[in-house]
Amino acid sequence: QKEVEQNSGPLSVPEGAIASLNCTYSDRGSQSFFWYRQYSGKSPELIMFIYSNGDKEDGRFTAQLNKASQYVSLLIRDSQPSDSATYLCAVNQGSSNTGKLIFGQGTTLQVKP
Amino acid sequence: NAGVMQNPRHLVRRRGQEARLRCSPMKGHSHVYWYRQLPEEGLKFMVYLQKENIIDESGMPKERFSAEFPKEGPSILRIQQVVRGDSAAYFCASSGPNSYEQYFGPGTRLTVT
Repeated sequence: QKEVEQNSGPLSVPEGAIASLNCTYSDRGSQSFFWYRQYSGKSPELIMFIYSNGDKEDGRFTAQLNKASQYVSLLIRDSQPSDSATYLCAVNQGSSNTGKLIFGQGTTLQVKP
Repeated sequence: NAGVMQNPRHLVRRRGQEARLRCSPMKGHSHVYWYRQLPEEGLKFMVYLQKENIIDESGMPKERFSAEFPKEGPSILRIQQVVRGDSAAYFCASSGPNSYEQYFGPGTRLTVT
């Protein structure tokens, strides 16, 4: 079992729709969770982080965390073509937040006009 | 520019040469992380440093790779006797002293010929 798993996609949604990206992790002791967006040939850009169970909203983005199910998701409302990118889920493993982020393989999102 | 800086952005080395990659963290940040992204692969943690200290080097290959973050100046990732398999994008990230969020620099694309 991979430490952080994502569906590689591509996930294709029409412009204006909600895009739902999912991620599962194996280390039950993990404390902090991050979503990065990476455009082709560019570096990862931090878009959301979440530390507590529940939802966290920031603009069009909502991160959801369920530690009991070891599941974290990212919702993008009113998707735009500019949201087309690879979305990376990252987990800071262990209960001590060591600084070492474990990344999933990423989900490619395509937003079609 | 208050962001994470990396140089050079592109580096070409022949097999057997040395590569030195530099990273200056975001202003106010004292923690530096190095990650490698091989073609068609995910981001992999290499090393976590604070000033004059290596905190976690569990992702560093045992040979040819070293990293430092001196009291003055940028963090350096050094690869000795490069091989073609070292060709990758190397990203540096930084975080503040009381924060888990990591912000990435633009990366150095290393090509070994």
